Amino acid sequence: GESVGLHLPTLSVQEGDNSIINCAYSNSASDYFIWYKQESGKGPQFIIDIRSNMDKRQGQRVTVLLNKTVKHLSLQIAATQPGDSAVYFCAERNNAGNMLTFGGGTRLMVKP
Amino acid sequence: DGGITQSPKYLFRKEGQNVTLSCEQNLNHDAMYWYRQDPGQGLRLIYYSQIVNDFQKGDIAEGYSVSREKKESFPLTVTSAQKNPTAFYLCASSIGQGSTEAFFGQGTRLTVV
Repeated sequence: GESVGLHLPTLSVQEGDNSIINCAYSNSASDYFIWYKQESGKGPQFIIDIRSNMDKRQGQRVTVLLNKTVKHLSLQIAATQPGDSAVYFCAERNNAGNMLTFGGGTRLMVKP
Repeated sequence: DGGITQSPKYLFRKEGQNVTLSCEQNLNHDAMYWYRQDPGQGLRLIYYSQIVNDFQKGDIAEGYSVSREKKESFPLTVTSAQKNPTAFYLCASSIGQGSTEAFFGQGTRLTVV
């Protein structure tokens, strides 16, 4: 069936370095792709989204890239901080706009 | 403060018992969702509701039931028919159909013994 998944389950980076979290998707009909951050013991929190007709979108210290040719989504975090340590999920919204399908998650660990 | 509240945070039940998880929001959101999260896995959609008195099955609705009698409340009942109910349950809400930003509660960890 349709799915959203991630390449790496755990990513460890040095504080101050840039982080790149990757995600593969299979549903070409999704109209939005979204990144969520989940800190330990909490519910996920919206970070940024990108419409399917865009290639890149920037936020504060984060950039999302969408490559529709290879069905790949990535989240780049600049100057990674200890507070960025969390599990990151990619998600996609179906065409009807009423469902979000989440991927498996990548744990980002920031070393001081 | 506006937000979405799940209770309780931890819940223990004996096998064969039904249990109801509470979810309340004061964000005036039309849409509400229930997800299940298992260790090391992503979120799987159980049920969702776009409007009061209406709800739809998600990907893993079997063994669960919901109601949406009030806009601010979307309780989830885990029935004895659910084969593997032990999990972390997350409730979320969004402004409505079309929103990509869902606001999540803190979750309820259900353990069935």
